[in-house]
Amino acid sequence: KNEVEQSPQNLTAQEGEFITINCSYSVGISALHWLQQHPGGGIVSLFMLSSGKKKHGRLIATINIQEKHSSLHITASHPRDSAVYICAVRFGNEKLTFGTGTRLTIIP
Amino acid sequence: NAGVTQTPKFQVLKTGQSMTLQCAQDMNHEYMSWYRQDPGMGLRLIHYSVGAGITDQGEVPNGYNVSRSTTEDFPLRLLSAAPSQTSVYFCASSYEEGQTQYFGPGTRLLVL
Repeated sequence: KNEVEQSPQNLTAQEGEFITINCSYSVGISALHWLQQHPGGGIVSLFMLSSGKKKHGRLIATINIQEKHSSLHITASHPRDSAVYICAVRFGNEKLTFGTGTRLTIIP
Repeated sequence: NAGVTQTPKFQVLKTGQSMTLQCAQDMNHEYMSWYRQDPGMGLRLIHYSVGAGITDQGEVPNGYNVSRSTTEDFPLRLLSAAPSQTSVYFCASSYEEGQTQYFGPGTRLLVL
């Protein structure tokens, strides 16, 4: 079965720290998405990528196709970055498979 | 643009009752989908639609019906609610399948 695993499940850090959240998947993919779910429940798409690296503000997403691994980095973390970060993967032409999320808490 | 809207925000049902969760988008997106989110699990696809008049089942379709009579609306019907359907439901849309999805605010459903 095609699987998506995220690590860590929970991450607590001090404001200003550099954050890395990981996503690994089992077989080749056509695209990978990173999503952010706010404490209030809303879900926002952050990135969609199939190779290389993308950057938006303090957020950077990278993907290594050979190693079947993606990372989401947050530079100069802030308490407003506290959220659940979800990795979702499209295996070939199948529907998205979602990870269970990483809960990030940034302490002031 | 309002984006993707969902109603109601919260609903309590008794076992056996039926209800419709509403979803609408004003971005002229062809692809729409319904997910449920349960503790400890990733989002799971219930039903999806690639355009008006076309719907198909996702991973967990049992107990739910959908229709897509217009591009804008994609309601989800619970035929006879069961406690196992207690969950948070998200509607999402995208220009086409595989592209960036825009999510609604969610509907929290409790079935007693």
